[in-house]
Amino acid sequence: DQQVKQNSPSLSVQEGRISILNCDYTNSMFDYFLWYKKYPAEGPTFLISISSIKDKNEDGRFTVFLNKSAKHLSLHIVPSQPGDSAVYFCAASTQGGSEKLVFGKGMKLTVNP
Amino acid sequence: NAGVTQTPKFRVLKTGQSMTLLCAQDMNHEYMYWYRQDPGMGLRLIHYSVGEGTTAKGEVPDGYNVSRLKKQNFLLGLESAAPSQTSVYFCASSYPGTSRYEQYFGPGTRLTVT
Repeated sequence: DQQVKQNSPSLSVQEGRISILNCDYTNSMFDYFLWYKKYPAEGPTFLISISSIKDKNEDGRFTVFLNKSAKHLSLHIVPSQPGDSAVYFCAASTQGGSEKLVFGKGMKLTVNP
Repeated sequence: NAGVTQTPKFRVLKTGQSMTLLCAQDMNHEYMYWYRQDPGMGLRLIHYSVGEGTTAKGEVPDGYNVSRLKKQNFLLGLESAAPSQTSVYFCASSYPGTSRYEQYFGPGTRLTVT
């Protein structure tokens, strides 16, 4: 059973507009959430994270929102740039222990010039 | 600082052959992980290690073995490769107790088993 779900496999937006990537989770024990970005033929790179004690975290053009009651988080990219075109993975973890991450299947974002 | 490196980058194996994938990190990280990425499946944890000399199973450990004899190295072994193990393998490392739970990934090894 998939614990972290990214239900939309792809998203296409125009340069300068907002990109919204969604992620749902089922395990209520998750208390830390991360977004990773992956370009072809490269390893994933960390983008932004949020603890369950917060509902929003912002870093430049990237903002992550967390709705614990709905077990839902979203990544907003404003404004979107062609260089943002990549596959984005949502991941979740529980504090303590091995800090293992559970990843979603990923979403391919394409930002058109 | 090279970060996380993986060797080899590409490999083609015949069914039944064995091989070892090497992961090395120069960040003095305690934790290391092996993932596989398959189309439409995201990244799935194979095995992980929370310190030198310790290893544990992840979500999809069958058909793989690992060893962490040195803190900076984490080896993934396939004793008898099967076509189902055709995948891209990523190694990652992290330093426990930081505020971000960030894992640093290597560039990946693309393995094809024929």
